[in-house]
Amino acid sequence: NAGVTQTPKFQVLKTGQSMTLQCAQDMNHNSMYWYRQDPGMGLRLIYYSASEGTTDKGEVPNGYNVSRLNKREFSLRLESAAPSQTSVYFCASKQGPSFSQHFGDGTRLSIL
Amino acid sequence: TQLLEQSPQFLSIQEGENLTVYCNSSSVFSSLQWYRQEPGEGPVLLVTVVTGGEVKKLKRLTFQFGDARKDSSLHITAAQPGDTGLYLCAGAPSGGSNYKLTFGKGTLLTVNP
Repeated sequence: NAGVTQTPKFQVLKTGQSMTLQCAQDMNHNSMYWYRQDPGMGLRLIYYSASEGTTDKGEVPNGYNVSRLNKREFSLRLESAAPSQTSVYFCASKQGPSFSQHFGDGTRLSIL
Repeated sequence: TQLLEQSPQFLSIQEGENLTVYCNSSSVFSSLQWYRQEPGEGPVLLVTVVTGGEVKKLKRLTFQFGDARKDSSLHITAAQPGDTGLYLCAGAPSGGSNYKLTFGKGTLLTVNP
């Protein structure tokens, strides 16, 4: 019963490198989300996909791009990583507007 | 942007004590959720409250949604070390997109044995 799976779990990058974070869910959920979590800042929404084929910006989209590859997968790409993007990234999914979100265990990303 | 203010930010108590965590906003929410997050893991849903004035109980945890649907509280009775974690409230904006949740910054609870 995997739920939401994120890969990798840890990554260290140098400034300017690119990276794609992967997320897959096996619950047949329609909506998927990417958040970042920083100390004292709570969870901030980067991008979301309400349904397959759609993506929308969240609160902090600058420096990121996303792809909803299919209903199961939603990836987050950093084209040119910056130290300010050092964070823990969480992917989440939910069935629809009135349902709760299910989270993965996060990707811990450090950019030097 | 609808903001959710959580208080206190940090709370350290002894096993057996009671505590209350607050989640406040100047905006109205159609529903409000509480999550608990343990170190190294993602948040896990505890409860969803939808109706103004609603009270829900989950064992020793009592959740209340304010009458005006602008605030919520989480009360823990006889806290145990297993209750340690980061508690997050999250609201779905009234009249807005229910696809997006606004999260508070969290309350980090430590229950000492």
